[in-house]
Amino acid sequence: DAKTTQPTSMDCAEGRAANLPCNHSTISGNEYVYWYRQIHSQGPQYIIHGLKNNETNEMASLIITEDRKSSTLILPHATLRDTAVYYCIVRETSGGSNYKLTFGKGTLLTVNP
Amino acid sequence: GAGVSQTPSNKVTEKGKYVELRCDPISGHTALYWYRQSLGQGPEFLIYFQGTGAADDSGLPNDRFFAVRPEGSVSTLKIQRTERGDSAVYLCASSTTVTSGRPNEQFFGPGTRLTVL
Repeated sequence: DAKTTQPTSMDCAEGRAANLPCNHSTISGNEYVYWYRQIHSQGPQYIIHGLKNNETNEMASLIITEDRKSSTLILPHATLRDTAVYYCIVRETSGGSNYKLTFGKGTLLTVNP
Repeated sequence: GAGVSQTPSNKVTEKGKYVELRCDPISGHTALYWYRQSLGQGPEFLIYFQGTGAADDSGLPNDRFFAVRPEGSVSTLKIQRTERGDSAVYLCASSTTVTSGRPNEQFFGPGTRLTVL
């Protein structure tokens, strides 16, 4: 079972920041937070991941709370092409299942013109 | 560079038939994964290969499903006696070797949409 909770859907205006929340209150110390997105009719695409510290790359920023029980994915300037389902996933760093991605239903982000 | 490719992109078959779905991973990737995605749901893990061997096939729903990767590159997912409930998008992903303490990025293909009539 997915160990994360995300809103079913969100809307964002083009050019504005999109902030996608994720709750993972049962996360353990050896689990990363990963974000993937899936544009319609495509396979999931990796966005970013983090353990404790905030992370930023060319696609997005990931803010993880100090207690690690929740995180927020930030797309700083959303475009129409960012319309997709966004999945927040917790994933082991070590142990028997560290290869496995367990997806929930994700958040459908719709970027409006 | 070339990503993960899957063929066919669409497959329509009749109940009871046998189907094969193919996945070509990114060159050099030792790990390969199959997932299944039903309408409105996130992908569900089916099987994980490290090299030629299936390291974890716990997600295969029953013994009608089987996957192989004989040379450690291309993989084939095989479904016998298909049922209408098998209709879904079958996704393949590949990655570099998974090591403890350093989980890595999985690259997904576009999927094969299977429809069982």
